[in-house]
Amino acid sequence: DAGVIQSPRHEVTEMGQEVTLRCKPISGHNSLFWYRQTMMRGLELLIYFNNNVPIDDSGMPEDRFSAKMPNASFSTLKIQPSEPRDSAVYFCASSLGTGTTDTQYFGPGTRLTVL
Amino acid sequence: DQQVKQNSPSLSVQEGRISILNCDYTNSMFDYFLWYKKYPAEGPTFLISISSIKDKNEDGRFTVFLNKSAKHLSLHIVPSQPGDSAVYFCAASTSYGKLTFGQGTILTVHP
Repeated sequence: DAGVIQSPRHEVTEMGQEVTLRCKPISGHNSLFWYRQTMMRGLELLIYFNNNVPIDDSGMPEDRFSAKMPNASFSTLKIQPSEPRDSAVYFCASSLGTGTTDTQYFGPGTRLTVL
Repeated sequence: DQQVKQNSPSLSVQEGRISILNCDYTNSMFDYFLWYKKYPAEGPTFLISISSIKDKNEDGRFTVFLNKSAKHLSLHIVPSQPGDSAVYFCAASTSYGKLTFGQGTILTVHP
């Protein structure tokens, strides 16, 4: 039973380059979340999709960040252009529904380093 | 503005003893609270949760206590095992499952 799949697991890039992080949620899950973990801010929600539609993107730091969910089994988080302060671990999570009691299952994360 | 706070960055406990991890929150609209455990190089995994209408929830060795008047919750692990060594995150939710996380507490259980 596959969990949430993220790729790549590690990404090293140079400032100014475009970065695309990918996520495959658990099959049958209707909600998808992108989180970012940094030492300074901890684990924070960036954006949330329900049934492939972005519902809350208030956590997206700035216009350089964008996220898409073209279908129920795939989502991307893109940073263009990337900056050193974007270095963090990015997690994708999915849940069955939208209720507060629906458990979120996290992927292993993508460690991004921007030089 | 940190709405969920874990004031202890780390905790060290002897195997077999009780581990108590604490969490405070400021938003009175939070109505559901969770604990997640995280091992290195892995994503957080759900551990236990509690609704605001309860003050205690137990699952095996893990018990979560909620004190709404004090806006405080705690996670008790009894007995602690070396495999429990991980980072523990407290999280709170108001709606649709949007989680606000604490900074995490590193638990080390010594054999």
